[in-house]
Amino acid sequence: DIQLTQSPSFLSASVGDRVTITCRASQGISNYLAWYQQKPGKAPKLLIYAASTLQGGVPSRFSGSGSGTEFILTISSLQPEDFATYYCQQLNSYPWTFGQGTKVEIQ
Amino acid sequence: EVQLVQSGAEVKKPGESLTISCQGSGYSFPNYWIAWVRQMSGKGLEWMGSIYPGDSDTKYSPSFQGQVTISADKSLNTAYLQWTSLKASDTAMYYCARAYSAKYLRFDYWGQGTLVSVSS
Repeated sequence: DIQLTQSPSFLSASVGDRVTITCRASQGISNYLAWYQQKPGKAPKLLIYAASTLQGGVPSRFSGSGSGTEFILTISSLQPEDFATYYCQQLNSYPWTFGQGTKVEIQ
Repeated sequence: EVQLVQSGAEVKKPGESLTISCQGSGYSFPNYWIAWVRQMSGKGLEWMGSIYPGDSDTKYSPSFQGQVTISADKSLNTAYLQWTSLKASDTAMYYCARAYSAKYLRFDYWGQGTLVSVSS
């Protein structure tokens, strides 16, 4: 199975901060990576797929980059509604797997 | 509008059987994979398996193979997740999601989740 390791697992930030979350894969997955945002009590929401393609309706302050084994989710200017947990997911090969999550909290 | 609507919360005893459902609307249900995802309380997301309703082709995560059964009825636009003998460790929120692929797969629409509680 392909393991995804996110870092950090937890981060504290302020409104307006630039935030980056890293997702490392245990083997190369090309760009078959998606990012999701989950707020408490809600279903996850797709933010980015194919490592860097923004899902329709997602604000442009979110961006993704990377290929192979290292991927980054960037929030250019953190907004109050962005405080949530973020997950990466690989869809390169079965079994599809998720990272352990990164919780973004208000500083 | 694409929607996935899941069945309601369930409270069960260990050893009981259970089937939960996920009904799709607003798109051609048979032509898109449906995935099931588990989330235990305070924990992360785990892909359990997926089904293609058009031909019932099914893929399971090794972690869940033999523990659950995924099925679908394309005439009802509904996918199912079934247990024959629940354990306390099956207590979790379960989500269904549409796995959309136009070259790159992604879970673009999600159900609201079904909370399953198993306790004696």
